[in-house]
Amino acid sequence: DAGVIQSPRHEVTEMGQEVTLRCKPISGHNSLFWYRQTMMRGLELLIYFNNNVPIDDSGMPEDRFSAKMPNASFSTLKIQPSEPRDSAVYFCASRPDSGSLYFGPGTRLTVT
Amino acid sequence: LAKTTQPISMDSYEGQEVNITCSHNNIATNDYITWYQQFPSQGPRFIIQGYKTKVTNEVASLFIPADRKSSTLSLPRVSLSDTAVYYCLVERPGNAGNMLTFGGGTRLMVKP
Repeated sequence: DAGVIQSPRHEVTEMGQEVTLRCKPISGHNSLFWYRQTMMRGLELLIYFNNNVPIDDSGMPEDRFSAKMPNASFSTLKIQPSEPRDSAVYFCASRPDSGSLYFGPGTRLTVT
Repeated sequence: LAKTTQPISMDSYEGQEVNITCSHNNIATNDYITWYQQFPSQGPRFIIQGYKTKVTNEVASLFIPADRKSSTLSLPRVSLSDTAVYYCLVERPGNAGNMLTFGGGTRLMVKP
């Protein structure tokens, strides 16, 4: 298996633009997590899905953030409109029923 | 889930054994303890997991006392490449309601 796949790896955009981050979890993993990491706040859990259903999105910072998982092999995290304070590395991770988290390589987002 | 507390940083020298302790006073009966390692510009990756007593794999050992309120990650004979951030995580079997929240981690610096 190729592991968790994220795209793009780097994204630079201007304030106010829409940003969409993509994730393909490991096949057979039924949970998917979106994390954000910055120097100031560390690794923050934004939202997680179980069997494609959002279970808890209490970590999503505000309404500008939304996440979807239309099927077991794909998820998106969208920011609209983006702001400079959204600049961070966004990680997607998947997990089987009993096992550990597997993280993707991350998307480094820079909003200017 | 139980909140975890671990030292912010540690320094060591090549060839030494490093022990990083994590406290999780409110751990529940069904919870288990997992440690992750994160290198710069990468997502965290699984190192070791345990429920009680001692677990050993090719990378590390994990010591968990009888009351399970703390755990110690032991890295034998560290090298420069072990310089990373180490996270302790309390996890609950199954995925529903299993918000996997990372603490601040311990930044280990291995010196020559």
